Amino acid sequence: GEDVEQSLFLSVREGDSSVINCTYTDSSSTYLYWYKQEPGAGLQLLTYIFSNMDMKQDQRLTVLLNKKDKHLSLRIADTQTGDSAIYFCAERSNTGNQFYFGTGTSLTVIP
Amino acid sequence: ETGVTQTPRHLVMGMTNKKSLKCEQHLGHNAMYWYKQSAKKPLELMFVYSLEERVENNSVPSRFSPECPNSSHLFLHLHTLQPEDSALYLCASSQETGYWETQYFGPGTRLLVL
Repeated sequence: GEDVEQSLFLSVREGDSSVINCTYTDSSSTYLYWYKQEPGAGLQLLTYIFSNMDMKQDQRLTVLLNKKDKHLSLRIADTQTGDSAIYFCAERSNTGNQFYFGTGTSLTVIP
Repeated sequence: ETGVTQTPRHLVMGMTNKKSLKCEQHLGHNAMYWYKQSAKKPLELMFVYSLEERVENNSVPSRFSPECPNSSHLFLHLHTLQPEDSALYLCASSQETGYWETQYFGPGTRLLVL
């Protein structure tokens, strides 16, 4: 299968910006997603970006896509303690039904 | 509230037991999915159903048996599981199975096999 890689941990102070990075290998990726998983809960879709876009902004969230380097990032502005969770990057190609997820980045926000 | 519910939320079973996981979506979607989430591993897609018909089966052992009686309900029947099957099992749904579709996840069933 395709590889989607993320660093496992990130720690930031409340009020700072968080940047979570993701790299993927599938050059035919069409949609890329960010999901949030809080303790004991399923995955919550945060945002997604189509592969012909470079950037998407949604309130405190900014997604940047560098298709040449196959690099996706999620920036959370003014990070709050409620943002502490695991964040999953996922990509889906335009072939088949496969959805490829990264291992998740555990974000800890320090008050 | 994601519109996708799963029961039970937690399940402990022995290796000789038979149990079933249930998923229900209230979003009017036509596609449903089962995923396995193990610690420190990427989410693994197990099964995909579209309009009650299985369209993807990712080499999942036969001790996992899915059932989709209608587009709102999805079951995962478990039989003679192994301890390594302990994981969080997530159900998801989407409008269709096309690559442009986003998936909406349930809270998961935390399964422990003893």
